[in-house]
Amino acid sequence: EPEVTQTPSHQVTQMGQEVILRCVPISNHLYFYWYRQILGQKVEFLVSFYNNEISEKSEIFDDQFSVERPDGSNFTLKIRSTKLEDSAMYFCASSEYRALPGNTIYFGEGSWLTVV
Amino acid sequence: DQQVKQNSPSLSVQEGRISILNCDYTNSMFDYFLWYKKYPAEGPTFLISISSIKDKNEDGRFTVFLNKSAKHLSLHIVPSQPGDSAVYFCAASDTQGGSEKLVFGKGTKLTVNP
Repeated sequence: EPEVTQTPSHQVTQMGQEVILRCVPISNHLYFYWYRQILGQKVEFLVSFYNNEISEKSEIFDDQFSVERPDGSNFTLKIRSTKLEDSAMYFCASSEYRALPGNTIYFGEGSWLTVV
Repeated sequence: DQQVKQNSPSLSVQEGRISILNCDYTNSMFDYFLWYKKYPAEGPTFLISISSIKDKNEDGRFTVFLNKSAKHLSLHIVPSQPGDSAVYFCAASDTQGGSEKLVFGKGTKLTVNP
């Protein structure tokens, strides 16, 4: 079964450093998402992306965050200057069509980011 | 901001019995609801969904019930199997409002004992 793949699986970074999390969505999918889960908390929506632009973003997704689809296969999340509270599991997801209602969003296994 | 609440952090059932996972929501604009299952070190996996125009949706051993007046939904797993042991997340969305954002609950850890 096709799957969403994410790299790295775990990254430790110094506070204030830039981090790029990478995702390869399922190949025929057109809609892309980032979610995150802080340890012990719920999974939270960050951003959705379609047709090379952000279609929706949450309050969490401030100017420190950006997304890009640089080469038609990868989908990246950049955090410009990491803070301790950015430590979380970041999930990339994709769907073939506009996800809701009725269609399925497929999640990757996550990238665990630790900011020290 | 707990628009989707799963008040039971954990649930333990015997193999072969029914598992009932509950979820409450506060936002009356939510019109589409989903259940995801998550194993450790994996991403959430879609299980089953229900639109607000229905009150029940069934897929094999999994049935989701929606009570809109109570703003409550539940996931029934019958019969439960040890492989069902995972964290189950309830999620909701306001699709009529044009949102694709899923709002998740905190999850319920289900343990099915052999």
